Amino acid sequence: DSGVTQTPKHLITATGQRVTLRCSPRSGDLSVYWYQQSLDQGLQFLIQYYNGEERAKGNILERFSAQQFPDLHSELNLSSLELGDSALYFCASSVVVGTSEQFFGPGTRLTVL
Amino acid sequence: KNEVEQSPQNLTAQEGEFITINCSYSVGISALHWLQQHPGGGIVSLFMLSSGKKKHGRLIATINIQEKHSSLHITASHPRDSAVYICAVKGSNYQLIWGAGTKLIIKP
Repeated sequence: DSGVTQTPKHLITATGQRVTLRCSPRSGDLSVYWYQQSLDQGLQFLIQYYNGEERAKGNILERFSAQQFPDLHSELNLSSLELGDSALYFCASSVVVGTSEQFFGPGTRLTVL
Repeated sequence: KNEVEQSPQNLTAQEGEFITINCSYSVGISALHWLQQHPGGGIVSLFMLSSGKKKHGRLIATINIQEKHSSLHITASHPRDSAVYICAVKGSNYQLIWGAGTKLIIKP
């Protein structure tokens, strides 16, 4: 158990809908990262937050947005969902931004029908 | 050419064999991360190293900064080691650049 929690574990929805994925980092970790892993693909970095502020953006679509709240939990919002958005979404956390090791949550499996 | 290359892409071995997975990178890095992804999808951090060698149980990770190369070794491999092993390097902007992963199957 990494100490990072993600909810829900599974999510099935329809095209055009909007969903919110939630992540709680390890106690004491200030940095949160979101990744997308499509079927049989590697991890794609989406976005990173540090202590409530956006730090870096990767291959995140405009239909996706995220935020980190004062209690350090983070939410990833996915809107106007398309079939291709079906994937595993991982959240990771680390103490700080630099060389700190990242610890991964169990992931949320999103299926868009 | 990808910035992080892993080899082999797929590896099947018998239980007990010594396993080596390689990772080469072409960018300057501050650290290198080895992770394990189980068939169910969960990702476990194995090692993070910036020089030398680290050992944890049957797993050993080494890195050669000059040659921009790292290896992950598994001694006395076991079917429960079957997973995808991912190498990721942390570049100068501290973002992780991911390798494509090595799918390892250990047969009993």
